[in-house]
Amino acid sequence: QKEVEQDPGPLSVPEGAIVSLNCTYSNSAFQYFMWYRQYSRKGPELLMYTYSSGNKEDGRFTAQVDKSSKYISLFIRDSQPSDSATYLCAMSPNTDKLIFGTGTRLQVFP
Amino acid sequence: DAMVIQNPRYQVTQFGKPVTLSCSQTLNHNVMYWYQQKSSQAPKLLFHYYDKDFNNEADTPDNFQSRRPNTSFCFLDIRSPGLGDAAMYLCATSSPRDNVAKNIQYFGAGTRLSVL
Repeated sequence: QKEVEQDPGPLSVPEGAIVSLNCTYSNSAFQYFMWYRQYSRKGPELLMYTYSSGNKEDGRFTAQVDKSSKYISLFIRDSQPSDSATYLCAMSPNTDKLIFGTGTRLQVFP
Repeated sequence: DAMVIQNPRYQVTQFGKPVTLSCSQTLNHNVMYWYQQKSSQAPKLLFHYYDKDFNNEADTPDNFQSRRPNTSFCFLDIRSPGLGDAAMYLCATSSPRDNVAKNIQYFGAGTRLSVL
């Protein structure tokens, strides 16, 4: 079993939809949870990070962490075609290493 | 703007011909990482430097080497590239200045390596 599981998609939604992206994990030592956005043939760009359980909102993006269920989510409201990318979750047990999910490819069509 | 810069963006090499990829950063971060990412896969950590201390991942092939001559620059050397080494190579940095910062990595745009 992988430490971090992420549905690869692709997830295809119409413009304006609410998107839910999710990861599950098995290591209860993870404390920091990140979401990266990666456009095709580019490097990952940090979107949001969350420490421990709870919610964090930044514009159209909301990150949720449920440590009791070992489940994290990224919600995108009013999705735009420019949101079309691969979204990678990443986690850290408070060390200098990240464990990544395989990424979910999102396509938002006009 | 402070950033992580990788050169070249695209690199084509021949089977067995040594190649060097470079990374520079203006963030003044202590830690620099090299990842290999293949299509539709998660980035795979090859090694990282904490200042000048080199930390190799157990499953990184000997074919991959790295140098960090100073804080700003880090190089990835592939001594004898094979067809299976064709991938995107990502450089990242982080700073251990506090508990939050040490867990967040900032990535360059990557170098896409093709092996003919």
